[in-house]
Amino acid sequence: EVQLVQSGAEMKKPGESLKISCKASGYSFPSYWIGWVRQMPGKGLEWMGLIYPGDSDTKYSPSFQGQVTISADNSNNTAYLQWSSLKASDTAVYYCARRGDFSFGVIPFDYWGLGTLVTVSS
Amino acid sequence: EVVLTQSPGTLSLSPGERATLSCRASQSVSSSYLAWYQQHPGQAPRLLIYGASSRATGIPDRFSGSGSGTDFTLTISRLEPKDFAVYYCQQYGSSPITFGQGTRLEIK
Repeated sequence: EVQLVQSGAEMKKPGESLKISCKASGYSFPSYWIGWVRQMPGKGLEWMGLIYPGDSDTKYSPSFQGQVTISADNSNNTAYLQWSSLKASDTAVYYCARRGDFSFGVIPFDYWGLGTLVTVSS
Repeated sequence: EVVLTQSPGTLSLSPGERATLSCRASQSVSSSYLAWYQQHPGQAPRLLIYGASSRATGIPDRFSGSGSGTDFTLTISRLEPKDFAVYYCQQYGSSPITFGQGTRLEIK
């Protein structure tokens, strides 16, 4: 069974750093992209970026380039999303999701984690 | 960037009725890489449709997707109580990946 298990809720102050995780199981972790999606309170879905753990190829949305860092560790099947200096506007739920690229086409985010709520407040 | 505009913003229907949700792209969606997701409050999104018309694993056949180019439609043939949720379209044919703003399907 495919599962993406995300780390727990975080409460941080502005200026602090943070790294949240997404642990995958039930499939070949290096062979599928992992994406990160932000959902601010009461708002819609925003794509942040993708990483292919097999070769660490990473793509960022222009809106998030330079604001966050996406990484992956194949030794423990885990993807990460990190901030070096949080802002109040980073308050949101962050989802990880799996995407598969195949010879016949792409299957977009077919499995999702439950989300990690990040609250940034002084 | 491909901008996706969903309509209507809110759709009020009764169980058993047919729902038609629209997603219009600002430019042609490459390879019909258009997906639909369902999201209930407090839950993660769920993939319903990919490639404009292919149902994801486990999705009942009352959900169907159609369209190409810039105009896409999600149809739910006979609404059940669990179908009332927010629906998002997404294009993944060009970077950056973008989502529509969502259509809220509510019980009339």
